[in-house]
Amino acid sequence: DVKVTQSSRYLVKRTGEKVFLECVQDMDHENMFWYRQDPGLGLRLIYFSYDVKMKEKGDIPEGYSVSREKKERFSLILESASTNQTSMYLCASSLIAGAHEQYFGPGTRLTVT
Amino acid sequence: GQQLNQSPQSMFIQEGEDVSMNCTSSSIFNTWLWYKQDPGEGPVLLIALYKAGELTSNGRLTAQFGITRKDSFLNISASIPSDVGIYFCAGRSPSSGSARQLTFGSGTQLTVLP
Repeated sequence: DVKVTQSSRYLVKRTGEKVFLECVQDMDHENMFWYRQDPGLGLRLIYFSYDVKMKEKGDIPEGYSVSREKKERFSLILESASTNQTSMYLCASSLIAGAHEQYFGPGTRLTVT
Repeated sequence: GQQLNQSPQSMFIQEGEDVSMNCTSSSIFNTWLWYKQDPGEGPVLLIALYKAGELTSNGRLTAQFGITRKDSFLNISASIPSDVGIYFCAGRSPSSGSARQLTFGSGTQLTVLP
């Protein structure tokens, strides 16, 4: 089974803090994704990566950056957290470019106060 | 961008009843996926569909890729309490900007009453 893990289930941070969310997959998947999920807005893609050190912006990249130094690990960085970044953050991975099945981690519930 | 219309937004059903939900798109999709999300958890992939007209089952769940390629349906037979959750459709359009991006529906919240 595909296993996608996220470093924290719950995080509480203060406005202005730098926040790191880590995601690891154990199935040698090429593609990794970061989404945020908000009530009434569904899942929105922040960034994705199709290879080590490669990244592409999703639909809502503002206020976020990402890092992929190793194939299995994809980090989401909030450079200066703001209250409107309070959300559920979901990481996903998929095997290859043509494989559209994405497998999700359990999510990180981030609260910025 | 792409949009998926998922309906209904919520459903309250009695245990043992069958459930149907669907997603429609304004453009053609070449992949349809159905996910279930339990409270506080990440979505779990239930069924993947890759061909127009395809009908695929996973236990009590059956999903179909519409022949117009603009819709998909998920049916759950003989619902049980653990079916409670949010069901999402997701799709991939050949006209989308990236080969890797999916478009997600807004979800159907299912409540099963004993």
